[in-house]
Amino acid sequence: TQLLEQSPQFLSIQEGENLTVYCNSSSVFSSLQWYRQEPGEGPVLLVTVVTGGEVKKLKRLTFQFGDARKDSSLHITAAQPGDTGLYLCAGEIFMYSGGGADGLTFGKGTHLIIQP
Amino acid sequence: NAGVTQTPKFQVLKTGQSMTLQCAQDMNHNSMYWYRQDPGMGLRLIYYSASEGTTDKGEVPNGYNVSRLNKREFSLRLESAAPSQTSVYFCASSEWVTSGSEVYEQYFGPGTRLTVT
Repeated sequence: TQLLEQSPQFLSIQEGENLTVYCNSSSVFSSLQWYRQEPGEGPVLLVTVVTGGEVKKLKRLTFQFGDARKDSSLHITAAQPGDTGLYLCAGEIFMYSGGGADGLTFGKGTHLIIQP
Repeated sequence: NAGVTQTPKFQVLKTGQSMTLQCAQDMNHNSMYWYRQDPGMGLRLIYYSASEGTTDKGEVPNGYNVSRLNKREFSLRLESAAPSQTSVYFCASSEWVTSGSEVYEQYFGPGTRLTVT
């Protein structure tokens, strides 16, 4: 079961343009995280949003958590080639054993290409 | 502080061969995880270890075994490799952090690219 749906799946734009990618779910999450993964590397944590309606900025990246804590968005202003990568959102779940241990479920990601 | 390290970085196996993927973290985290990443499938959890001495199955455990050797190390073993296990394998570790409220963050290793022919 894919709890987190990311859109678009692929996005290719020119340097300098703005873009928004989305992470949606029918489930409520206590927090959502965004990771960026470059080719040949592991995902790297960018930000965690916790409070419904929260907005966090990381230079040209703006992250928003929906009021109902079911969705999140990532907006990039004046995209640069260095922003190219796979953007993953992740939310906390309780583990498959039902034991209540911690864990994350990941969306399938948005593949972003910024062309010079 | 190296974070999460994985070995090997690349591996090619023949069907039926066995191998162990190694993972170590130096952040003193309690929880460690093994994921596989396949095109169009995203990251899927294979096994996890919430603390030293415990392991549990994730979403796709079949064909794999794990060992939490100590707090630092968590290994993944393929006893009899199959072509369906061709994938990129990531190890991760995590800890609860408090930044206003408690949140849960994971840190990933660089991955092992495994091909089974």
